[in-house]
Amino acid sequence: QVQLQESGPGLVKPSQTLSLTCTVSGGSISSGGYYWSWIRQHPGKGLEWIGYIYYSGSTYYNPSLKSRVTISVDTSKNQFSLKLSSVTAADTAVYYCARGAERLVPKENWFDPWGQGTLVTVSS
Amino acid sequence: SSELTQDPAVSVALGQTVRITCQGDSLRSYYASWYQQKPGQAPVLVIYGKNNRPSGIPDRFSGSSSGNTASLTITGAQAEDEADYYCNSRDSSGNHFVVFGGGTKLTVL
Repeated sequence: QVQLQESGPGLVKPSQTLSLTCTVSGGSISSGGYYWSWIRQHPGKGLEWIGYIYYSGSTYYNPSLKSRVTISVDTSKNQFSLKLSSVTAADTAVYYCARGAERLVPKENWFDPWGQGTLVTVSS
Repeated sequence: SSELTQDPAVSVALGQTVRITCQGDSLRSYYASWYQQKPGQAPVLVIYGKNNRPSGIPDRFSGSSSGNTASLTITGAQAEDEADYYCNSRDSSGNHFVVFGGGTKLTVL
């Protein structure tokens, strides 16, 4: 059973770079057919997609965050990572990693499983 | 459009049936997936595709779709179903983006 676990600093200073890692256990991050995603949730708000990376290395980012986001994968460690630069208080949120899957016929996509989430606070 | 619209709140009497809806242009091309989120917990997938339930999800949860609207139906709602529910799909423009609905808070009375 695949499990995901986020890790990283819970406090980041404004203008710095937020860095989080998601460790995948119970399965290989290199297995085809999946994509590895970051999703965040501002306090008391809904879910916001940040971006994802395919096992091949192709990345796709939310246009509203694209200029500040980098997602990468380390297959040797079975991990993928998020970097969000120039953070402000508006980036304070719970950050989730999740495995994405999709079918093209019919067109379907879903996220399962999710990590437990990690709260990142941006404050000086 | 890349937006998915959900009613902010819905209530249902214990044991009754409730439908939570999600509207968006992308749903004309993509099936929605649905997630349940309880306070302080990560979202959990409850429905994906045309009407598929992951292992462990009770069969009182079902999904359907018509035009630009996807629905999550809970038949015989239980107290433990009280939670926030989010829909999700791809953006229909073909640019690989992902979209989430704003969420519906379900109260079981």
